[in-house]
Amino acid sequence: QKEVEQNSGPLSVPEGAIASLNCTYSDRGSQSFFWYRQYSGKSPELIMSIYSNGDKEDGRFTAQLNKASQYVSLLIRDSQPSDSATYLCAVNPGNNRKLIWGLGTSLAVNP
Amino acid sequence: EAEVAQSPRYKITEKSQAVAFWCDPISGHATLYWYRQILGQGPELLVQFQDESVVDDSQLPKDRFSAERLKGVDSTLKIQPAELGDSAMYLCASSFNYGLAGGIYNEQFFGPGTRLTVL
Repeated sequence: QKEVEQNSGPLSVPEGAIASLNCTYSDRGSQSFFWYRQYSGKSPELIMSIYSNGDKEDGRFTAQLNKASQYVSLLIRDSQPSDSATYLCAVNPGNNRKLIWGLGTSLAVNP
Repeated sequence: EAEVAQSPRYKITEKSQAVAFWCDPISGHATLYWYRQILGQGPELLVQFQDESVVDDSQLPKDRFSAERLKGVDSTLKIQPAELGDSAMYLCASSFNYGLAGGIYNEQFFGPGTRLTVL
């Protein structure tokens, strides 16, 4: 079992719809969770971080964390073509260990 | 806006040559990371510095790769000799630790990266 798993996609949604991206992790002791957006040929850009169970909202983005079920998700409301990118999930397992990265989910928002 | 700086942005070299990448982290960030990313994969940590000290270099191919952060600020990653399989995006990131609800956390911010092509 991979430590951090994401559906590779591509996930295709129409413009204006809600895009839902999911990530599961194996280390139950993990402490912090991050979503990065990466455009083709560019570097990852941090868009959300979440540390406690529940929802965290920032503009059109909402991160949801459920530690009991070991998943973290990212919702993008009113999806725009400019949201088309790969979304990387990263998990900090704690105890000064390095971030564990998923392979990313490719999102395509169609006009 | 504070950003991580990297240079060069692109590098084309022939195998067996030496290459070097430079990174200047966000001011005040004590932790600096070098990652390698191959298309379709997540970033792979090569080396992590806390100030000038190496914290983790377990995935750094030490026979050909070296990294230094002499004054605890900017950093250089070197490859000598370069091999065809080294073609990838090399990313630098920095972070600082902060306390929140009894825990210590950090968020990593990436520079623009260096795209290396080895011919």
